[in-house]
Amino acid sequence: ETGVTQSPTHLIKTRGQQVTLRCSSQSGHNTVSWYQQALGQGPQFIFQYYREEENGRGNFPPRFSGLQFPNYSSELNVNALELDDSALYLCASRISVNSYEQYFGPGTRLTVT
Amino acid sequence: AQSVSQHNHHVILSEAASLELGCNYSYGGTVNLFWYVQYPGQHLQLLLKYFSGDPLVKGIKGFEAEFIKSKFSFNLRKPSVQWSDTAEYFCAVLLVGTNAGKSTFGDGTTLTVKP
Repeated sequence: ETGVTQSPTHLIKTRGQQVTLRCSSQSGHNTVSWYQQALGQGPQFIFQYYREEENGRGNFPPRFSGLQFPNYSSELNVNALELDDSALYLCASRISVNSYEQYFGPGTRLTVT
Repeated sequence: AQSVSQHNHHVILSEAASLELGCNYSYGGTVNLFWYVQYPGQHLQLLLKYFSGDPLVKGIKGFEAEFIKSKFSFNLRKPSVQWSDTAEYFCAVLLVGTNAGKSTFGDGTTLTVKP
């Protein structure tokens, strides 16, 4: 059984640029959540995808968007990057939208300069 | 808005010492409560969870947590820590009936266990 994987591991971008982060769910999991973890803080919920549709969103602006594909893998897109977007971005998958047990990936470290 | 407070940012213990990490949340509704652990170089993983029933829940590796509704607390305990318990610990709260992925996390407590 393959766990949650994320790519890339690290990324450096310039303010104003756009970035795409990728996540492959654990096998058999159809629900994916994305979190932002700033240095010294806990993860903050960005949004969730279930059956290729956004199914819940945290307090993040529209320049944070996502996609989920038929194989349940997912992307997080961030437009017009700001310095404060520098963080670890975590993806977590669940076997169903009603399950409370999340399996986290290793994260993508994004640095915005 | 929901919030989770973890009182200790960094705890240093010697092996065999007892551990208690505090977690308080601010929400008056029915909640599900979680403790997650992140060992050095590893993914965030679930340590234990409380949904309902017995307020004393047991998790992996000898950890337990007690839900005290009147105090809005869910403290994590272990009677005797080991060097391998060195990790970062996160408390998380989820409002029952809401999107299951929308957990609110505390800022974490780093535990260092000295051999």
